[in-house]
Amino acid sequence: DIQMTQSPSSLSASVGDRVTITCRASQGIRNDLGWYQQKPGKAPKRLIYAASSFQSGVPSRFSGSGSGTEFTLTISSLQPEDFATYYCLQHNSFPYTFGQGTKLEIK
Amino acid sequence: EVQLLESGGDLVQPGGSLRLSCAASGFTFNINDMSWVRQAPGKGLEWVSILSVKGGNTYYADSVKGRFTISRDNSKNTLYLQMNSLRAEDTGIYYCSKGGWLEYWGQGTLVTVSS
Repeated sequence: DIQMTQSPSSLSASVGDRVTITCRASQGIRNDLGWYQQKPGKAPKRLIYAASSFQSGVPSRFSGSGSGTEFTLTISSLQPEDFATYYCLQHNSFPYTFGQGTKLEIK
Repeated sequence: EVQLLESGGDLVQPGGSLRLSCAASGFTFNINDMSWVRQAPGKGLEWVSILSVKGGNTYYADSVKGRFTISRDNSKNTLYLQMNSLRAEDTGIYYCSKGGWLEYWGQGTLVTVSS
């Protein structure tokens, strides 16, 4: 199985900050990766697919990059509504696997 | 607008069975792969299963293989998850999702396995 190592597990930041979350795959997954945002008590929402493609309706401050084994999600200028937990998902081979999650909190 | 509505979650004893349903609307159900994902209380997301449109292939997480069965009824635009031999560690919210890339998600249904 492909392991997805996500870091950091938690992050404190302020409104307006630029933040980066990283996912590393235990083997190459091309660009078969998505990023998801989950707020407390809500279902996850996809932000990015194919590592760097924007989901329709997602603000442009979110961006994704990477290929192979290393991927990043960047939020260019944090807004109050961005404080949530973020997950990466590899869908290159079965079983699909998520990263452990990054909880983004207000500093 | 894509809508996914899960149902069937309940309190069940260890060793028991449950069938979850996911009613889909707002897209062409019968040409889309469909998936289940779960989340234990206070934990992260765990991919559970996918039903591929091509060939009707099914895939499962190792943790549920042999106990869970994914299926669909295209005439009813509904996805199912039959869960047998339930364990305490199967407790959590179960989400259905459109596509293998988990494009859209339902709001989830809660399964509690406890005596």
